[in-house]
Amino acid sequence: DGGITQSPKYLFRKEGQNVTLSCEQNLNHDAMYWYRQDPGQGLRLIYYSQIVNDFQKGDIAEGYSVSREKKESFPLTVTSAQKNPTAFYLCASSVDGSSGNTIYFGEGSWLTVV
Amino acid sequence: GQQVMQIPQYQHVQEGEDFTTYCNSSTTLSNIQWYKQRPGGHPVFLIQLVKSGEVKKQKRLTFQFGEAKKNSSLHITATQTTDVGTYFCADPIGGSARQLTFGSGTQLTVLP
Repeated sequence: DGGITQSPKYLFRKEGQNVTLSCEQNLNHDAMYWYRQDPGQGLRLIYYSQIVNDFQKGDIAEGYSVSREKKESFPLTVTSAQKNPTAFYLCASSVDGSSGNTIYFGEGSWLTVV
Repeated sequence: GQQVMQIPQYQHVQEGEDFTTYCNSSTTLSNIQWYKQRPGGHPVFLIQLVKSGEVKKQKRLTFQFGEAKKNSSLHITATQTTDVGTYFCADPIGGSARQLTFGSGTQLTVLP
């Protein structure tokens, strides 16, 4: 089945720890994205990548880091510098980064800081 | 920052009633997309509107793009319990990153 796979689905982290969320796609899409969603709110863009080995900051990149070493993979690290990391994280991809392309989302990862 | 404003934030309707959510922008949009997110799920693409005054229908859902391309609406006729979820509009070139920027969404509850 083609699609976007995020793991883990649920993750608990202690304060001060870094945690990495995995995102893999087999859609052969060039562009990949990470969004954050807080309860009852919309989605905010953290980072995006339009091509391998290149990525750009979104609207709320502080406290996060990404890499894009392979076309199909775009992991997100939530660092200890992120002050309020508890949220629902969504990975997404599109054919390319052009305006108007449909964005396909993974199932999401719930991160809770304890 | 966010360029599209969406209202209402919440809407409760009785099953069979109609529902409308509105998306407004202070700037002209090149196009607009609509997504639906079921409770506990992820957003799923519904449609994209590109032309001024465009109207598209998907069964009981009607999508409109304003003549000035600054507003859009999603109307559901005779809601069903399967319509429950949050509906988002999205501006494909919004935000400081010039990437897809989502409205805050309208959370629809359908009472049986």
